[in-house]
Amino acid sequence: DQQVKQNSPSLSVQEGRISILNCDYTNSMFDYFLWYKKYPAEGPTFLISISSIKDKNEDGRFTVFLNKSAKHLSLHIVPSQPGDSAVYFCAASINTGNQFYFGTGTSLTVIP
Amino acid sequence: EPEVTQTPSHQVTQMGQEVILRCVPISNHLYFYWYRQILGQKVEFLVSFYNNEISEKSEIFDDQFSVERPDGSNFTLKIRSTKLEDSAMYFCASSDRGALWDEKLFFGSGTQLSVL
Repeated sequence: DQQVKQNSPSLSVQEGRISILNCDYTNSMFDYFLWYKKYPAEGPTFLISISSIKDKNEDGRFTVFLNKSAKHLSLHIVPSQPGDSAVYFCAASINTGNQFYFGTGTSLTVIP
Repeated sequence: EPEVTQTPSHQVTQMGQEVILRCVPISNHLYFYWYRQILGQKVEFLVSFYNNEISEKSEIFDDQFSVERPDGSNFTLKIRSTKLEDSAMYFCASSDRGALWDEKLFFGSGTQLSVL
C-alpha cells in the first residue's frame, strides 16, 4: 500500500538551475509533510517540512509547496549545487499518529 | 550536534539465526522508531516506541520482531529467526515529540543486515 509516491526515481540537473522533486500522496488524513535527504552509507537527514495549514515553506535554497486538493507536494532547490546530489525522500504523517510514511525516493544528480 | 548511533554498521547472519540491532537515540528524546529499507524500495516503518511500550507497529513487525529499551540509553531491535527477506538496511530514529507538526525524526546511519 503505497500511500506516498515519488514517481521519478532519478533526476539530473545542471549546476545553478532549479531542481524540482515531486511527491504525491493518497491519504487525505495526512497533514504534515517532510523532505529528507540521504547520502550513501548515511541515514536520512531532515531537510524541510510543511504542515497542511500552509501551502509553501521556504528555507534558504529549499522551498516546499503543498497542493492539498491535488494531494501533491514538491521540493524546489534553487540554485542547485553539486553537493545537493543525493536521494530525496518525501514523508507524510497524520498529526495524531506516530508513524511517518515514506516514498521510494528520487535520486538527484547535479552536474557541475 | 547530537546524533543517533547504530551498531553494528553491517551484520551478516545465517537464515534462522537471531540478530540484535542496537541503537543509542538522542539522549533527551522520548519517541523511538525502527524503519527499514530493502534495496531499491521505500523506507518502511516497522515500529514506534514510547514510554517503554510499543505505540504503533506495521504489518511487517510480526512475532519474529521485538524491541526493547533495556536501559536509559539503548534501544534494540531483535529478529528471532531471520529470513532471507529480512535483508535490508535498518534505520533507528528518535524524536522528542513524535510525529507532530514541526517535529522531525533524527535517523542513525543504519545497520545493513544480510541474511544468507
